[in-house]
Amino acid sequence: DTAVSQTPKYLVTQMGNDKSIKCEQNLGHDTMYWYKQDSKKFLKIMFSYNNKELIINETVPNRFSPKSPDKAHLNLHINSLELGDSAVYFCASSLDRGRSEQYFGPGTRLTVT
Amino acid sequence: AQSVTQLGSHVSVSEGALVLLRCNYSSSVPPYLFWYVQYPNQGLQLLLKYTSAATLVKGINGFEAEFKKSETSFHLTKPSAHMSDAAEYFCAVANTGRRALTFGSGTRLQVQP
Repeated sequence: DTAVSQTPKYLVTQMGNDKSIKCEQNLGHDTMYWYKQDSKKFLKIMFSYNNKELIINETVPNRFSPKSPDKAHLNLHINSLELGDSAVYFCASSLDRGRSEQYFGPGTRLTVT
Repeated sequence: AQSVTQLGSHVSVSEGALVLLRCNYSSSVPPYLFWYVQYPNQGLQLLLKYTSAATLVKGINGFEAEFKKSETSFHLTKPSAHMSDAAEYFCAVANTGRRALTFGSGTRLQVQP
């Protein structure tokens, strides 16, 4: 049973399109995250939700909008995709907002052409 | 804010040799520190974590790390490298203010036969 799952695993699309990435966790965790990993493998937090409430919103373009329908799901919608959005996006979850370890999904490789 | 620095973007060892991956942290409060491993085209997997209970932390796959406050270090070691250890390794610190992980830039471990 996959703890943190993401769909799709690969996403290839053209500039200007709108796309979504879905994430689900079955660990019963309260907090979920979106991270972006660039081509140099650098990982950076984008958003965090705790019990469906947005608690971290880094300096991310408004084209990126997270949505948490319930505490087991955190989706990422991206409008008007740009070449620079190409990256691997990871979803993660943790037990609480504190300093507990995070569990990561397998990632979604987004390629914008 | 807390941060981590990983020294050496690439480390190459022979199979059976000692693995040493370096991580230094910066934190004004007692840090929570983590090591994650990322195999090619996969998500991040937790290797071990330090939460101030014991300075020597044992993780999965024979890895361990020692927290040294005087050196602000949390280096990852394994006595004998195996080919399957080849991967990208990330050190991370739990950012108490933002409740997210701040990652180092990663170290790619190569294991030569």
